[in-house]
Amino acid sequence: NAGVTQTPKFRILKIGQSMTLQCTQDMNHNYMYWYRQDPGMGLKLIYYSVGAGITDKGEVPNGYNVSRSTTEDFPLRLELAAPSQTSVYFCASSYRRGGPGEQFFGPGTRLTVL
Amino acid sequence: DQQVKQNSPSLSVQEGRISILNCDYTNSMFDYFLWYKKYPAEGPTFLISISSIKDKNEDGRFTVFLNKSAKHLSLHIVPSQPGDSAVYFCAASVQGAQKLVFGQGTRLTINP
Repeated sequence: NAGVTQTPKFRILKIGQSMTLQCTQDMNHNYMYWYRQDPGMGLKLIYYSVGAGITDKGEVPNGYNVSRSTTEDFPLRLELAAPSQTSVYFCASSYRRGGPGEQFFGPGTRLTVL
Repeated sequence: DQQVKQNSPSLSVQEGRISILNCDYTNSMFDYFLWYKKYPAEGPTFLISISSIKDKNEDGRFTVFLNKSAKHLSLHIVPSQPGDSAVYFCAASVQGAQKLVFGQGTRLTINP
């Protein structure tokens, strides 16, 4: 199993550009998450999904959109990139019902907006 | 409003000694707690968890203690090894919720 994979690993965007961060998991997990980590800070939840077709906002959803058309994929879309979105983005998945359980993380995407 | 706090940004420990990482929380509804370890350029990996019905959970060199009255948990690593050098995050959740709230992290350095 590859686990959780994320592409790209690095990206530099100009202000106002858009991009999609890709996330795929091969563990058949129902639950998937997007986090961002700013320097010296913990992980902040952007969006999450409890299954295909179901998504919900996390703590910091502004400026982002998600979709979940399959169990495996959970892409994160940035429509109008802003310098405040410079961060490291982590995708995660988990399997436990009734609680978050152990979340499995991808290696991250480092995004810089200039 | 930081619901989960790790007040020590960094900690340095001699190899072979005990490392103690601390975490405080403010939300009394939290009933499940986890510790994650993160190496540079990698995603966090799960280390150990504890439910609020327990006050201690052990897994090899790692033990997590939970003090509900103080809203405090700690991770003990004994003995500390160089490979334990990493950033450690504590996280908390409410039973039934699918979301975790993370602390800011503590960078642990194990000196030979």
